[in-house]
Amino acid sequence: QSVLTQPPSVSGAPGQRVTIACTGSSSNLGAAYDVHWYQQLPGTAPKLLISDNSNRPSGVPDRFSGSRSGTSASLAIAGLQAEDEAVYYCQSYDNSLSGRVFGGGTKLTVL
Amino acid sequence: EVQLVESGGGLVQPGGSLRLSCAVSGFTFSSYAMTWVRQAPGKGLECVSVITDSGGVAYYADSVKGRFTISRDNSKNTLYLQMNSLRVEDTAEYYCARIALSYGPLDYWGQGTLVTVSS
Repeated sequence: QSVLTQPPSVSGAPGQRVTIACTGSSSNLGAAYDVHWYQQLPGTAPKLLISDNSNRPSGVPDRFSGSRSGTSASLAIAGLQAEDEAVYYCQSYDNSLSGRVFGGGTKLTVL
Repeated sequence: EVQLVESGGGLVQPGGSLRLSCAVSGFTFSSYAMTWVRQAPGKGLECVSVITDSGGVAYYADSVKGRFTISRDNSKNTLYLQMNSLRVEDTAEYYCARIALSYGPLDYWGQGTLVTVSS
């Protein structure tokens, strides 16, 4: 089981908005460590999508946004497109494990 | 352009060894901590090892501690992962990635190299 908890799957129709939750604990998100989000398209390496809770790296569309509160964080994707079908991972640092931890990943299906 | 290129993966028998390499370009390698992240087939991501920019400090996940050794050669812009006493459960795609800041994101990733441990 992953240290950070994500739903296994979410889905939405083109144009809709979906959110993916990431739940942690007092030793990671609750300890004020930032959360980062990655997108992994089929057959490719993960790519940084959101850094430091809510920052979009250059080139990431503003349809993607992140937020964080207490021991939880979320990734929102607005105006869903077919090309957004991927697995999304949250990641943070855990001070009880002294290492970087990932969520189990959420597979987004665009209906 | 930032590039990370892994190599060294392959098929190895249980108990065997492999050394992975990650050649980087497009940034000052000696200024960044680096990490190896693995992904078992159909599974999620696991950070197995981290090394500081100077190479002086390393972190290992419990699953590989005592068996894997991370190192770097800043003169050659290359990151390494020496994997010994390999187990079937070490079968995975291994990615190297750059760490943006001390607790920051993994902002650039390589394409991965596949390690298969099987008899």
